Amino acid sequence: RKEVEQDPGPFNVPEGATVAFNCTYSNSASQSFFWYRQDCRKEPKLLMSVYSSGNEDGRFTAQLNRASQYISLLIRDSKLSDSATYLCVVNIKSGGGADGLTFGKGTHLIIQP
Amino acid sequence: DAGITQSPRHKVTETGTPVTLRCHQTENHRYMYWYRQDPGHGLRLIHYSYGVKDTDKGEVSDGYSVSRSKTEDFLLTLESATSSQTSVYFCATTGDNNQPQHFGDGTRLSIL
Repeated sequence: RKEVEQDPGPFNVPEGATVAFNCTYSNSASQSFFWYRQDCRKEPKLLMSVYSSGNEDGRFTAQLNRASQYISLLIRDSKLSDSATYLCVVNIKSGGGADGLTFGKGTHLIIQP
Repeated sequence: DAGITQSPRHKVTETGTPVTLRCHQTENHRYMYWYRQDPGHGLRLIHYSYGVKDTDKGEVSDGYSVSRSKTEDFLLTLESATSSQTSVYFCATTGDNNQPQHFGDGTRLSIL
């Protein structure tokens, strides 16, 4: 299994719709999970952390399923400005090595008017 | 956002020339990272640092070297640039290696 795996998309979604995508990870001992957003030709930016109990930030909901080793991101009432690539990020390395986090290749989301 | 400045922002150079990219941070973060990002590959770790003069290799370190002589600066050097090193390079920092990293604006490097 790849360390952090995401469906690359693109996901084409009409404005106002709800969209969800998952990310699977390989190390069952991983403890830190994040979603980043990356706009075209820009740097990745932290969207939200993912907590064990699930967490919400406005229209965005993140969930963690440890048993199946995946995290999810749900976007409600999608806006044109949500169009971006969403990166799943996990601390894959056991023992918390100094090389930090592992980034997925990203899921490309296009919100259509 | 963490104060991270990458320089230069854009560079075009020829095969065989040395190139040095600079990452400067004002957050006193212990950990610093250099990534490259290419279509179809996502972000790939080149080298990282966990303190002054403490560095180690990432997954794509061949052809690259780094130095960190002070907390705020992390330099990435291509000793003899090749066309395969044409890419977008990102620097990132964090105070805790299990916590989110904050990225610089990136450097677009073209090797002709």
